Amino acid sequence: KNQVEQSPQSLIILEGKNCTLQCNYTVSPFSNLRWYKQDTGRGPVSLTIMTFSENTKSNGRYTATLDADTKQSSLHITASQLSDSASYICVVSAAGTASKLTFGTGTRLQVTL
Amino acid sequence: DAGVTQSPTHLIKTRGQQVTLRCSPISGHKSVSWYQQVLGQGPQFIFQYYEKEERGRGNFPDRFSARQFPNYSSELNVNALLLGDSALYLCASSLGREKTQYFGPGTRLLVL
Repeated sequence: KNQVEQSPQSLIILEGKNCTLQCNYTVSPFSNLRWYKQDTGRGPVSLTIMTFSENTKSNGRYTATLDADTKQSSLHITASQLSDSASYICVVSAAGTASKLTFGTGTRLQVTL
Repeated sequence: DAGVTQSPTHLIKTRGQQVTLRCSPISGHKSVSWYQQVLGQGPQFIFQYYEKEERGRGNFPDRFSARQFPNYSSELNVNALLLGDSALYLCASSLGREKTQYFGPGTRLLVL
């Protein structure tokens, strides 16, 4: 069964600090992995997308890494801002399917003063 | 360019009623997918439509149905509503079946 697990479930950090969110998956055969940011009550917004051959991808203060061998990904947020407070969802796509995406349950990040 | 739009934004229904949710994809996108997101959980895949045909279906009962129109907009119908159908319903569009999906703001459905 395809699964995506994220940790921690929630996180509180001070503004300006860095943090790293984790994603482990068992989706096979692997196609790509995406990180989305979702504000409360809003639709998810894509941050990064990585295929099998990509180890890292950055989008501003967000840097995602992928280890396809261990089936792990991380999202690193640098110099956090209050506006980073949101849920971060790891989404994995299996190759050869009708684009059924497997979503993690997300990490809820709160950035405080 | 406008992003994915969904209507209505909020909806309250009672058990047993029927509901229709609407989605307009980004211009040029031919694929539309529907997801259900229960509070505190990640989205669950319901349907994908591409070129007006159903291309994928998640593990949802037959009470859930959808269709895609010639202009690529889509409707999601849910019959015989249950309390457990209360959720944020997300629509996502993409250029093709395997391309990045762009999500709309969602429709929040509350079943009483």
